[in-house]
Amino acid sequence: GENVEQHPSTLSVQEGDSAVIKCTYSDSASNYFPWYKQELGKGPQLIIDIRSNVGEKKDQRIAVTLNKTAKHFSLHITETQPEDSAVYFCAASNWDTGRRALTFGSGTRLQVQP
Amino acid sequence: DAGVIQSPRHEVTEMGQEVTLRCKPISGHNSLFWYRQTMMRGLELLIYFNNNVPIDDSGMPEDRFSAKMPNASFSTLKIQPSEPRDSAVYFCASSLDFATYEQYFGPGTRLTVT
Repeated sequence: GENVEQHPSTLSVQEGDSAVIKCTYSDSASNYFPWYKQELGKGPQLIIDIRSNVGEKKDQRIAVTLNKTAKHFSLHITETQPEDSAVYFCAASNWDTGRRALTFGSGTRLQVQP
Repeated sequence: DAGVIQSPRHEVTEMGQEVTLRCKPISGHNSLFWYRQTMMRGLELLIYFNNNVPIDDSGMPEDRFSAKMPNASFSTLKIQPSEPRDSAVYFCASSLDFATYEQYFGPGTRLTVT
């Protein structure tokens, strides 16, 4: 089955700096890669996703890049703000199998220092 | 528009008791997912339904776990008998339909089995 590795496990940045979280996956057939943000006591919230026919996607201060050859994808947050502090999860899925199971990474705790 | 609703938000029970977790998906969504989150195993899919029919229950840990979706607006996850190792946060998520990638998570139920 799919295995997703996520790094780093914790990340501390100063407000205004950029943050980068990286994930690698094992199943070359995976073709859907969402990122979720989880705040304390809440469920994961989808913040951005990318599909295998796209190399990069951007939404305001958030961007995701995908390298299918190397089987890794990354989340980039620019101009970080204290409210970006949360746990971020990457995930991967092979949509073509008909399964809708998301395999999640272990999470990155991002702390933005004011 | 209300998101995914889960109840109870917290549940404390003794080993051997039956536990029932409840979920109401987003109105109009036809796919529903149950996830479990623990420190050791992270976020993992237990089961998902499409149009009230279980599609993939390969993540259900053992026969003590069962899930039902009697109608489009309600699902239950039952553990009988419960064990301390079942302690976790259980999330329900919904998706518009089987062809839609995005999954939207509820706030979760924190289950503690003593």
